[in-house]
Amino acid sequence: EAQVTQNPRYLITVTGKKLTVTCSQNMNHEYMSWYRQDPGLGLRQIYYSMNVEVTDKGDVPEGYKVSRKEKRNFPLILESPSPNQTSLYFCASSPDGGSGANVLTFGAGSRLTVL
Amino acid sequence: GNSVTQMEGPVTLSEEAFLTINCTYTATGYPSLFWYVQYPGEGLQLLLKATKADDKGSNKGFEATYRKETTSFHLEKGSVQVSDSAVYFCAPPVPSGGSYIPTFGRGTSLIVHP
Repeated sequence: EAQVTQNPRYLITVTGKKLTVTCSQNMNHEYMSWYRQDPGLGLRQIYYSMNVEVTDKGDVPEGYKVSRKEKRNFPLILESPSPNQTSLYFCASSPDGGSGANVLTFGAGSRLTVL
Repeated sequence: GNSVTQMEGPVTLSEEAFLTINCTYTATGYPSLFWYVQYPGEGLQLLLKATKADDKGSNKGFEATYRKETTSFHLEKGSVQVSDSAVYFCAPPVPSGGSYIPTFGRGTSLIVHP
């Protein structure tokens, strides 16, 4: 089944404890992206990647890192999480992001709580 | 930044009522326009898309027409059901450095009562 898989789905952690949210897609998509969803703010882009080894900042990159060493994986890294990073996170992918014509496939979401 | 304006919710309707969720955008010449839907506890999924000006996208009774002259892509449904309760996102791709980056409106929550 074609899908985007995120892990963990739920996580409670403490301030300053590094964590990684993994994202993997099995559709050979070139474009991958991370979003956070907060009440009243909608969906905001954190980072995106047009292809392997190419990543760019989105609207809210502060406090996050990403890497794209292989096409299928796009992990989101929080080096020193803080409570304002408590949010619902979504990973998404599409065949390519540059054309603007492709549909995004989303993961099921990862709910992160930072105490 | 975000170049799309989407009506704020929540929108609360009774079953079988007519639905309109407004979406307007600021740029021109989009390759496509999209509406995504997020059902409770799930990720977003495509609801419909339009691939050029004056094109109408439709799915599950929902429709939206890419209106270049009014820079709008309003979502409509003639008769909503309880199962349509969800959050709806207008999603025009934003031009950036010769490419287009997917972007999203703030989302409109729809609540349909029996």
